[in-house]
Amino acid sequence: NAGVTQTPKFRILKIGQSMTLQCTQDMNHNYMYWYRQDPGMGLKLIYYSVGAGITDKGEVPNGYNVSRSTTEDFPLRLELAAPSQTSVYFCASSNPGQGAGNTIYFGEGSWLTVV
Amino acid sequence: AQKITQTQPGMFVQEKEAVTLDCTYDTSDPSYGLFWYKQPSSGEMIFLIYQGSYDQQNATEGRYSLNFQKARKSANLVISASQLGDSAMYFCAMREPRDNYGQNFVFGPGTRLSVLP
Repeated sequence: NAGVTQTPKFRILKIGQSMTLQCTQDMNHNYMYWYRQDPGMGLKLIYYSVGAGITDKGEVPNGYNVSRSTTEDFPLRLELAAPSQTSVYFCASSNPGQGAGNTIYFGEGSWLTVV
Repeated sequence: AQKITQTQPGMFVQEKEAVTLDCTYDTSDPSYGLFWYKQPSSGEMIFLIYQGSYDQQNATEGRYSLNFQKARKSANLVISASQLGDSAMYFCAMREPRDNYGQNFVFGPGTRLSVLP
């Protein structure tokens, strides 16, 4: 029962460095998402994808890039890391349609600190 | 404008008592879903309960129930017989269709629940 798997779980970056957060899901979900959660706050959508080759910006896309070459994988790229990107990042996936079965499933989160 | 409002940043409840966590939402789409998630201190997001906009009855899942008042756009979470393990952040979320394609999940700011022994 892997579900949504994201790596790494913890990472410290220096200002100006770049990195990629990996995300993969094994539920054959069409939709995938990246959220960030700042301390004590709710989740804000960075990018989302409705299928391989299709991505779009969410609420807070600046400083990030994504790609979706396969149904399973949805990596998030941070270019030129800044302290404002210190946050917890959640990858998630869902399928289209109504009902409780079409809920959103989350990875365990990636704690990123930029110093 | 906020799509999901949770007006209680923090709540305390005595063990074994019931507690209600408030959530109001804003959407013009007739087809939407409402969710509650629990986030313990370990950080993972745990799905608790779902209510569809067309569901006639309030959703229940064990000790969790959702008090759905559609006209008031309210979807409060009720936890009965609180346990120490219920101490966590609780997020209300709404799923609605996007204008172009896909679906949008919007989350509220959360309520931190502390259960007292």
